[in-house]
Amino acid sequence: EIVLTQSPATLSLSPGERATLSCRASQSVSSSLAWYQQKPGQAPRLLIYDASNRATGIPARFSGSGSGTDFTLTISSLEPEDFAVYYCHQRSNWPRTFGQGTKVEIK
Amino acid sequence: EVQLVESGGGLVQPGGSLRLSCAASGFTFSTYWMHWVRQVPGKGLIWVSHIKTDGSSTSYADSVKGRFTTSRDNAKNTLYLQMNSLRAEDTAVYYCARDTNGTPDYWGQGTLVTVSS
Repeated sequence: EIVLTQSPATLSLSPGERATLSCRASQSVSSSLAWYQQKPGQAPRLLIYDASNRATGIPARFSGSGSGTDFTLTISSLEPEDFAVYYCHQRSNWPRTFGQGTKVEIK
Repeated sequence: EVQLVESGGGLVQPGGSLRLSCAASGFTFSTYWMHWVRQVPGKGLIWVSHIKTDGSSTSYADSVKGRFTTSRDNAKNTLYLQMNSLRAEDTAVYYCARDTNGTPDYWGQGTLVTVSS
């Protein structure tokens, strides 16, 4: 099973600041990695697929990069609605796995 | 608009059974693979199961293999998760999600399953 390790667990930032979230895989997943945003009481929302492709309707301030085992989700300038939990997910191997999440909170 | 609506959750005793449903609309259901993913409240996401377009192939997490069965009725645009021999650790919100090129893209709002005596 591929383990995805996200860091940091919590990121405390102010609106307008840049957020950089990391996801490291225990073995290569090529570019088969997605990022999701989840707010309390809501379902996950797909932000990025295949490491760097924005999903439909996702603002340009969200970007993804990386391949192999190291991936990054960047939010260029935090908007109030961006404070949430973010998960990475790999589709390279079975079973599919998710990271444990990074909470982006208001400082 | 893509919509996925789960139902069938509730309180069940350990060892009991429950069947979840996921009603799909706004897309051609029969042409998409589908997933079940669960989440213990306040915790992370755990992939549970996956089913091919025609239901001919399924896969499961080890933690549910032999106890859970995923099926679909393409005529009714509905996905199912039959859960047997339920345990306390199966308590979670269960989401269905559509698969596009291997990635779950659209998700339902989830249904809560509580296993407790």
